[in-house]
Amino acid sequence: EAGVAQSPRYKIIEKRQSVAFWCNPISGHATLYWYQQILGQGPKLLIQFQNNGVVDDSQLPKDRFSAERLKGVDSTLKIQPAKLEDSAVYLCASSLLIQKRANVLTFGAGSRLTVL
Amino acid sequence: KQEVTQIPAALSVPEGENLVLNCSFTDSAIYNLQWFRQDPGKGLTSLLLIQSSQREQTSGRLNASLDKSSGRSTLYIAASQPGDSATYLCAVTNITQGGSEKLVFGKGTKLTVNP
Repeated sequence: EAGVAQSPRYKIIEKRQSVAFWCNPISGHATLYWYQQILGQGPKLLIQFQNNGVVDDSQLPKDRFSAERLKGVDSTLKIQPAKLEDSAVYLCASSLLIQKRANVLTFGAGSRLTVL
Repeated sequence: KQEVTQIPAALSVPEGENLVLNCSFTDSAIYNLQWFRQDPGKGLTSLLLIQSSQREQTSGRLNASLDKSSGRSTLYIAASQPGDSATYLCAVTNITQGGSEKLVFGKGTKLTVNP
């Protein structure tokens, strides 16, 4: 089966610019996650979708970050305006729902953002 | 608030050695625990998932144990190989008050296996 696709793989922008990341999960996976991984840290959950509804966005900096999952499939994560501390790898993951619970997560390769 | 700690932060061993990676978590009311592998510049690959009712899981040379009451898990790697070199991340899942799953990661252990 095809994996979780993410693009772009790399992006370099200046602070105060905007950027958008795209994720296409594994077909049939109802749950989709966006994680932020700063160098040397573990991934931190930004937002979790179940189908096209948000189930957790408590750690999403909503003044600058936004995410959507139209039609319960693809998702985009946007940062506007970017700050230096947003430099990180943005990981998308998806999982099946089994008995109403998310199962093993499959991660994409990530999108590495550098803010100058 | 769940916190996950991994010790050591880095480990270097000669090829063929058996090794243990440690993970501890502060909130024992977990739904499951997963061990992931991350290679440089790549995403995470799930290695083992242990449900809260289980004590261990095995896959090939990997064995993960879970002691929920003490808030600890170990990942045992037998007969290590240079190809095992990667960062290993532990993550626990809690069920929130709203009924959704929340996955919290440790910072990882960077393993280097020297030929």
